[in-house]
Amino acid sequence: AQSVTQPDIHITVSEGASLELRCNYSYGATPYLFWYVQSPGQGLQLLLKYFSGDTLVQGIKGFEAEFKRSQSSFNLRKPSVHWSDAAEYFCAVGAGNAGNMLTFGGGTRLMVKP
Amino acid sequence: DAGVTQSPTHLIKTRGQQVTLRCSPKSGHDTVSWYQQALGQGPQFIFQYYEEEERQRGNFPDRFSGHQFPNYSSELNVNALLLGDSALYLCASSLWGEQYFGPGTRLTVT
Repeated sequence: AQSVTQPDIHITVSEGASLELRCNYSYGATPYLFWYVQSPGQGLQLLLKYFSGDTLVQGIKGFEAEFKRSQSSFNLRKPSVHWSDAAEYFCAVGAGNAGNMLTFGGGTRLMVKP
Repeated sequence: DAGVTQSPTHLIKTRGQQVTLRCSPKSGHDTVSWYQQALGQGPQFIFQYYEEEERQRGNFPDRFSGHQFPNYSSELNVNALLLGDSALYLCASSLWGEQYFGPGTRLTVT
């Protein structure tokens, strides 16, 4: 069975500082990997996705993520955080066709200090 | 393009009652998935509909059922509501590839 672990429940960074959110997955084959962001009371917005190919993927809002098969990780990074990045971030893994069921991690709540 | 829409936005039900939530997919999308997000947790997959059939199902009891219409819109029905069914219910649509999520329906069971 597939699973996703986000080890950090809460992270606080200063505005302008760099950010890395961790994600570890368990899946028997090549995974489809996603990062979503959720603002309070809102649905999920896709930040970026990895299906195959280049292991460093670029997303919206200046985010990027790197797929490391040897570590079963797909960490999300941003070089300089803005106050508007404060939100909940979810890593997810999908099986087979990327439109199939997604398994989400528990999320990381990001707070940004001025 | 209106994106994925869900109705209602919020609703409050009593234990034992039944509820129906609705979802209209993004234009051109033929697959609809439903997720339950309890407070402070990540979304959990309930089931997915394609061509008016349930294609995949997560670990949810039979009290949770669904339907997809010829225009690809979908309903989620929950019978015999329990307090633990209180959550944000998210609908996602897809054609091929990534899933696009709606804003969700907040269900409170009292």
